Amino acid sequence: QSALTQPASVSGSPGQSITISCTAHSSGIGGYNYISWYQQLPGKAPKLMIYDISNRPSGVSNRFSGSKSANTASLTISGLQAEDEAHYYCASYTTGRILVVFGGGTKLTVL
Amino acid sequence: QVQLVQSGTEVKKPGASVKVSCKAYGYTFNNYAMHWVRQAPGQGLEWLGWFNAGNGYPIYSEKFQGRLTITRDTSASTDYMELNGLRSEDTAVYYCAKDTGYSTPVGMNVWGQGTTVTVFS
Repeated sequence: QSALTQPASVSGSPGQSITISCTAHSSGIGGYNYISWYQQLPGKAPKLMIYDISNRPSGVSNRFSGSKSANTASLTISGLQAEDEAHYYCASYTTGRILVVFGGGTKLTVL
Repeated sequence: QVQLVQSGTEVKKPGASVKVSCKAYGYTFNNYAMHWVRQAPGQGLEWLGWFNAGNGYPIYSEKFQGRLTITRDTSASTDYMELNGLRSEDTAVYYCAKDTGYSTPVGMNVWGQGTTVTVFS
């Protein structure tokens, strides 16, 4: 069981907005701001979409946004497009014995 | 162009060791930390460890303590990940990933292409 819990799957229609949650089960995670989100297309390496909870790297669409409230971080994708269909993973720096933990991943289906 | 190029596919027998290299291009190698992440077939991402560029030491996930060694060759702009005592459950794609920072894991903004390691008797 991951210390970060994500829904196994979410879906949405083109043009809609969806939100993927990432809930921490350890105080060592909830207290830090180093939450990041990754998109992984089939057969490809992951791609950084959000870091430091809400910052977008250069080149990432502003349709992707991140936020955090208490022990839950969220990734919101607005104006869904077919190319957004992928697996999404959250990750966090922790003070535990595993420095970085990943969530279990969420498969996004664009209907 | 910033990129990480990893070594090729490996097939190993149980109990053997594997060493994967990750050569960096296009940035000041010493200024950034490097993570190692793996993904078993059909599974999610798993963090193995990283090389902290701030203090020059690796940190390993507790799960891999004693089996994993991460090293850095600054002169070659290359990091290495060696995993010993391989078992079938170590079969996975292994990635190196550059962090945006050097001593605190902020985010992995550049990834290698992945190295497939198959443990097969």
